Amino acid sequence: KNQVEQSPQSLIILEGKNCTLQCNYTVSPFSNLRWYKQDTGRGPVSLTIMTFSENTKSNRRYTATLDADTKQSSLHITASQLSDSASYICVVSARQAGTALIFGKGTTLSVSS
Amino acid sequence: KAGVTQTPRYLIKTRGQQVTLSCSPISGHRSVSWYQQTPGQGLQFLFEYFSETQRNKGNFPGRFSGRQFSNSRSEMNVSTLELGDSALYLCASSASTPRSEKLFFGSGTQLSVL
Repeated sequence: KNQVEQSPQSLIILEGKNCTLQCNYTVSPFSNLRWYKQDTGRGPVSLTIMTFSENTKSNRRYTATLDADTKQSSLHITASQLSDSASYICVVSARQAGTALIFGKGTTLSVSS
Repeated sequence: KAGVTQTPRYLIKTRGQQVTLSCSPISGHRSVSWYQQTPGQGLQFLFEYFSETQRNKGNFPGRFSGRQFSNSRSEMNVSTLELGDSALYLCASSASTPRSEKLFFGSGTQLSVL
């Protein structure tokens, strides 16, 4: 069964600190993996999209990594800011008929001062 | 370039009623997909439209339906509302298929069923 599991479920860090969010998936055949940031009451915003051949992708202070062999991805946030407080959702796309987007339930990050 | 616009932003309905939600995609995008988001289940795919045709459908009952117009604007309808339909309904647009293209989400319609 295609699944995307994210950990931790929630996280609290101090402003300026780094953190890493995890995403494990069992989606096959794999097409791409995406990370989205969702602020409270808003729609998700794309951070990165990685295909099978990409190991790392950065978007400002966000760096995503992908290990297609172990089916794991991580999102590293550097020098966190209060505005990073949000839900981070990992989405895996399957290369098959149909839309086949499998969503993780997200990690809620709270950055405090 | 204007983003994805969803209306209304908030809706309160009672059980048994029906509701219609609207989504205007980014100009030039032909694919519109709809999602239901609840605290317990997270984001779940409802359906996707491309050039006025439903291309894919998620695992939701027939009470959930949609359509797309020639200008790519899309509507979603939920009939005979149930308490469990309370959720944030998001639409997203993309140039072609959501599977390979970057998705642009609207801010959603928060539906409360009483």
